Amino acid sequence: DAGVTQSPTHLIKTRGQHVTLRCSPISGHKSVSWYQQVLGQGPQFIFQYYEKEERGRGNFPDRFSARQFPNYSSELNVNALLLGDSALYLCASSWGLWSGGTGELFFGEGSRLTVL
Amino acid sequence: AQSVTQLDSQVPVFEEAPVELRCNYSSSVSVYLFWYVQYPNQGLQLLLKYLSGSTLVKGINGFEAEFNKSQTSFHLRKPSVHISDTAEYFCAGASGGSYIPTFGRGTSLIVHP
Repeated sequence: DAGVTQSPTHLIKTRGQHVTLRCSPISGHKSVSWYQQVLGQGPQFIFQYYEKEERGRGNFPDRFSARQFPNYSSELNVNALLLGDSALYLCASSWGLWSGGTGELFFGEGSRLTVL
Repeated sequence: AQSVTQLDSQVPVFEEAPVELRCNYSSSVSVYLFWYVQYPNQGLQLLLKYLSGSTLVKGINGFEAEFNKSQTSFHLRKPSVHISDTAEYFCAGASGGSYIPTFGRGTSLIVHP
């Protein structure tokens, strides 16, 4: 079975531009979460979506937005990019909000964004 | 919200030696704790989790962790490490009512031959 897939794997943008990152969850998973991992730090929570509704939002500015589609895939959008947005963006999926009671998240390999 | 602290940013160790990676959490109310591993250029993979029950939790690849409520700790241990265990290890926690785990800053385990 395919795991969580993310695209693109690497991308370079300049300040002020917009970026869209995509995530396909494991088949059967209905929840998708997005995390930002700055070099040398742990993942920071950005958004959680379940059944196409936002169920959690981290402490990120309104430049960050996301959505989940009927097939449970998801997009993360970042507007007006800043140098500090350079990071690895991780998508994680799970069966439900608490993954059927296990709490486990399944992570993709991430999209590495560099802002120049 | 639950927060976790990983006390060591880097832990060097020789192959076949034991290792302990330390993690402390902030809240003892309905706490759920996890250890994830991240190999270079890969996503995170769950090693083990504590949800309830036995305080000694066994995971994959020979790792185990002990939930200690009095010390608010959840340290990860392995009796004998291999070169292939070289990776970044993240402790994560969630509290009752929140389904969103908070991650620590990570500990880089470096296994030398």
